[in-house]
Amino acid sequence: ETGVTQSPTHLIKTRGQQVTLRCSSQSGHNTVSWYQQALGQGPQFIFQYYREEENGRGNFPPRFSGLQFPNYSSELNVNALELDDSALYLCASSLDPGEQAPLHFGNGTRLTVT
Amino acid sequence: SQQGEEDPQALSIQEGENATMNCSYKTSINNLQWYRQNSGRGLVHLILIRSNEREKHSGRLRVTLDTSKKSSSLLITASRAADTASYFCATDPRNQAGTALIFGKGTTLSVSS
Repeated sequence: ETGVTQSPTHLIKTRGQQVTLRCSSQSGHNTVSWYQQALGQGPQFIFQYYREEENGRGNFPPRFSGLQFPNYSSELNVNALELDDSALYLCASSLDPGEQAPLHFGNGTRLTVT
Repeated sequence: SQQGEEDPQALSIQEGENATMNCSYKTSINNLQWYRQNSGRGLVHLILIRSNEREKHSGRLRVTLDTSKKSSSLLITASRAADTASYFCATDPRNQAGTALIFGKGTTLSVSS
């Protein structure tokens, strides 16, 4: 069983740039959720994808967008980066969004915006 | 927005002691889960308790849930240095389709040998 993998592990960008983060779900999981975790805080829900469609969204602006592919891998795109976007971005996969099964997390991408 | 709030924010104990962390939440839930995170890495699921359950055990972990008080507690018995991590409660809000788990700010546990 392959776990959740995220790439890259670390990234440094300049304010105003765009970034794409990638996630491969655990095998057999069709749902992926993205979270932002600022230093010293709990993870904040960005959005969830189920079978390639957005299935829910947290309180994040439209410059945060995502995609889910037929193999259930996923991307998180952030446009017009701001300093406050510096955080650990976590991807989590699960079996199904209807029944809140446990989330399986990747180790995250540490994004630094300068 | 944060649904759950853990208490205390930080906890330091000696190996062999028990560690208790509390979580309070605001809205009705389907279930509550506890996760652990080691130094900025991914979160690992520990235990899930459903809204119709009051207590659950898994190894050295004991979780209680009081839906009337909207609170839960996580007890780790006979703590080990390897238990040093941040612990988060996460709730699955009822009647909010398409919302993934909502996490609290976490309790940082430090176990010294």
